Amino acid sequence: GAVVSQHPSRVICKSGTSVKIECRSLDFQATTMFWYRQFPKQSLMLMATSNEGSKATYEQGVEKDKFLINHASLTLSTLTVTSAHPEDSSFYICSAIARDRSRDEQFFGPGTRLTVL
Amino acid sequence: AQSVTQPDIHITVSEGASLELRCNYSYGATPYLFWYVQSPGQGLQLLLKYFSGDTLVQGIKGFEAEFKRSQSSFNLRKPSVHWSDAAEYFCAVGDKVIFGPGTSLSVIP
Repeated sequence: GAVVSQHPSRVICKSGTSVKIECRSLDFQATTMFWYRQFPKQSLMLMATSNEGSKATYEQGVEKDKFLINHASLTLSTLTVTSAHPEDSSFYICSAIARDRSRDEQFFGPGTRLTVL
Repeated sequence: AQSVTQPDIHITVSEGASLELRCNYSYGATPYLFWYVQSPGQGLQLLLKYFSGDTLVQGIKGFEAEFKRSQSSFNLRKPSVHWSDAAEYFCAVGDKVIFGPGTSLSVIP
């Protein structure tokens, strides 16, 4: 099956710094990627939809200046948490839709755990 | 607007017993419906999905789900639970995959 990777898997940073998380589709091209956020013991909340070569579409309540998303190629989307604060600590998960497959083919990455001190 | 509810936050069953996890959805058209499982420290795994056709869907690991339009439900079932099934289960709907709150399953040996 298709594989989606995320890097790093875990990151700890100081408050006020920025952190970049990468999401890669390893063996397929992804025109669309999604970014989710998951708090402990809670569900995944969709943050934004990332389309290759265009601006990301953010869900209501998600600060686009806080969570910068770039989808520069068909295999890579990045999420940058700018000026991170402890409340940004969470589990961030990306997913990708394979370009040449039916619309139901959505593959999830393993997630990145962000801890802001 | 799309939404998903999972009425049961936590369920405990004995190993070998049958299981049913409830899921209700709100969707404007024929829904795309999914069940995912998330084990501790692991990524999401798709158990099964429904787009159209037969309303009883077979998935991996012995799971099945039945789409009932009249009840706006897509309940997940397994006839005999194994200890390794203990995990968090998420029902999801739609193109952008909106997730329900999840049901945590514990299995008693």
